[in-house]
Amino acid sequence: DIVLTQSPLSLPVTLGQPASISCKSSQSLVSSDGNTYLSWFQQRPGQSPRRLIYKISNRDSGVPDRFSGSGSGTDFTLKISRVEPEDVVIYYCMQDTKWPNTFGQGTKLEIK
Amino acid sequence: EVHLVESGGGLVQPGGSLRLSCAVSGFTFDKSWMTWVRQAPGKGLEWVANIKEDGSEIYYVDSVKGRFTMSRDNAKNTLYLQMNSLRVEDTAVYYCTTPGPIYWGQGTLVTVSS
Repeated sequence: DIVLTQSPLSLPVTLGQPASISCKSSQSLVSSDGNTYLSWFQQRPGQSPRRLIYKISNRDSGVPDRFSGSGSGTDFTLKISRVEPEDVVIYYCMQDTKWPNTFGQGTKLEIK
Repeated sequence: EVHLVESGGGLVQPGGSLRLSCAVSGFTFDKSWMTWVRQAPGKGLEWVANIKEDGSEIYYVDSVKGRFTMSRDNAKNTLYLQMNSLRVEDTAVYYCTTPGPIYWGQGTLVTVSS
């Protein structure tokens, strides 16, 4: 199975400042069709996850443009340009290039 | 608007069974793969199973193979997860999701405990 390793698992942040989360894959996530199926999700306490980014860098509808995704192959990053209070929650990366689809362990943002 | 509503969760003893349902609306159910994802209390997310549009292909994560059966009724826009031989480690909130996964239900809690 593909293992996704997120770092850090806990990220102290300052409101208004940027934040960055890494997601490293144990194998290349480039699919046979040439796409890379790496997504990012946000989960607020007591809520279902919400997808923010798909195929590395594509923002879902309604996602603020302060969220961006980048990377290739096995190394990926989610960046928040300026952290807002509602962003201080948990983030997961996920791959569905190869079955079984897998998630990273999650990164919890916390106010510094 | 897309709605996914899971039901059927509850408390069950180890070795017992439960059947989860997910009613879907506002979405072309019969033209989409569907998925179950679970989340143990205070833990991360785990993909459980996928089912093709017509139910002809189903994939399970190794930890549930031989114990869980995913199915669908396209006439009723409903997804199912039959869970047998339940273990304490199956305790989780179970979500049904659309491809992406873009849309998620609110989840249903399954607690396996004696």
